[in-house]
Amino acid sequence: AQKVTQAQTEISVVEKEDVTLDCVYETRDTTYYLFWYKQPPSGELVFLIRRNSFDEQNEISGRYSWNFQKSTSSFNFTITASQVVDSAVYFCALSERGLDDKIIFGKGTRLHILP
Amino acid sequence: DTAVSQTPKYLVTQMGNDKSIKCEQNLGHDTMYWYKQDSKKFLKIMFSYNNKELIINETVPNRFSPKSPDKAHLNLHINSLELGDSAVYFCASSQEQGSGNTIYFGEGSWLTVV
Repeated sequence: AQKVTQAQTEISVVEKEDVTLDCVYETRDTTYYLFWYKQPPSGELVFLIRRNSFDEQNEISGRYSWNFQKSTSSFNFTITASQVVDSAVYFCALSERGLDDKIIFGKGTRLHILP
Repeated sequence: DTAVSQTPKYLVTQMGNDKSIKCEQNLGHDTMYWYKQDSKKFLKIMFSYNNKELIINETVPNRFSPKSPDKAHLNLHINSLELGDSAVYFCASSQEQGSGNTIYFGEGSWLTVV
């Protein structure tokens, strides 16, 4: 069984603050993949990052950074110096090795950046 | 150019009607999907096709029938629409079958059944 938990249903921060979105996953497989997607108010789903289970290096892309910790089964996402355009629902997702195409999504965290 | 495009974007229809949503991807991907997002934003896979072959059918009612005329197209036909079918339906594609492939989504089709 696999499961993705995003415990934060909704977060509000003031613009320019840093914010971290939590993601905890469960899997029995040793090879798996983690993803983050963004869904802005316009509704489309935008791919942000993919990470495989063997690569524990943290990643930074501009104001976005991701902290992958296998020991705690977490793949957290931090936005530094948040902007109003970061307001969206963010989904963490997991898929396991093999021919099973399923990506299992968490329930999402709705992020409000207040001006 | 839109990588994964689906039409219509908005669809309002009455219960009992039959409707279709079309999807096309120009990424050259082998695998295509339909996902459903309910009112609580929960995203769940419905179907996946690899090179026109059905791979995943995720316990979806028989009223939903996907059709893939070629690997660049995956259409979704829904018969006898019910109120509970109201949702956003996302088409998506990935390079190939198998986990670890990044899935790229279309812009969604908002279906409202009245």
